Amino acid sequence: NAGVTQTPKFQVLKTGQSMTLQCAQDMNHNSMYWYRQDPGMGLRLIYYSASEGTTDKGEVPNGYNVSRLNKREFSLRLESAAPSQTSVYFCASSGGTAATNEKLFFGSGTQLSVL
Amino acid sequence: GENVEQHPSTLSVQEGDSAVIKCTYSDSASNYFPWYKQELGKRPQLIIDIRSNVGEKKDQRIAVTLNKTAKHFSLHITETQPEDSAVYFCAATGSARQLTFGSGTQLTVLP
Repeated sequence: NAGVTQTPKFQVLKTGQSMTLQCAQDMNHNSMYWYRQDPGMGLRLIYYSASEGTTDKGEVPNGYNVSRLNKREFSLRLESAAPSQTSVYFCASSGGTAATNEKLFFGSGTQLSVL
Repeated sequence: GENVEQHPSTLSVQEGDSAVIKCTYSDSASNYFPWYKQELGKRPQLIIDIRSNVGEKKDQRIAVTLNKTAKHFSLHITETQPEDSAVYFCAATGSARQLTFGSGTQLTVLP
């Protein structure tokens, strides 16, 4: 099992450019998440999807959009990248619904730099 | 929403000594408290978790305690080893039913 796979691993953008981060899980999990990790700030939730067909905002959703393409895939899009979006992005999944507390399985991360 | 504070931000211990990391949370409805370990350049991984109906949980050298009245929980690592060196994150699930993470503790185990 690959677990949670996210691409790309590294990306450099210029201010104003757009891009999509891809995430897929092969564990048949219901819930999927996008976090960003900044030094000294822990992991902050951007968006999540409790089940196929639903998405909800997390703590820091501004400047991002998401798509739950199917049960396996959850993508994160930056429409007009800004330097403040320079961060490490992690996709995660869990087996339960948003109402249950389950172990998060993380992808390997995407290091994004916006110049 | 939930607010999780974590202390200390950095911690150095001698190999074989114990390490304690403390977290406080704000939402009294929180009922799930996991701890994640992140080695340099790697993804976070769950090492232990505790639910609000339990005061303490232990897994080999790692233990977590929860004080719901005071709204704080702690991670205890005994007999530390060099491979314990990593960043540790606490988290809590508040009334919004999503995990809020602490800011992390960089633990360094000195040989």
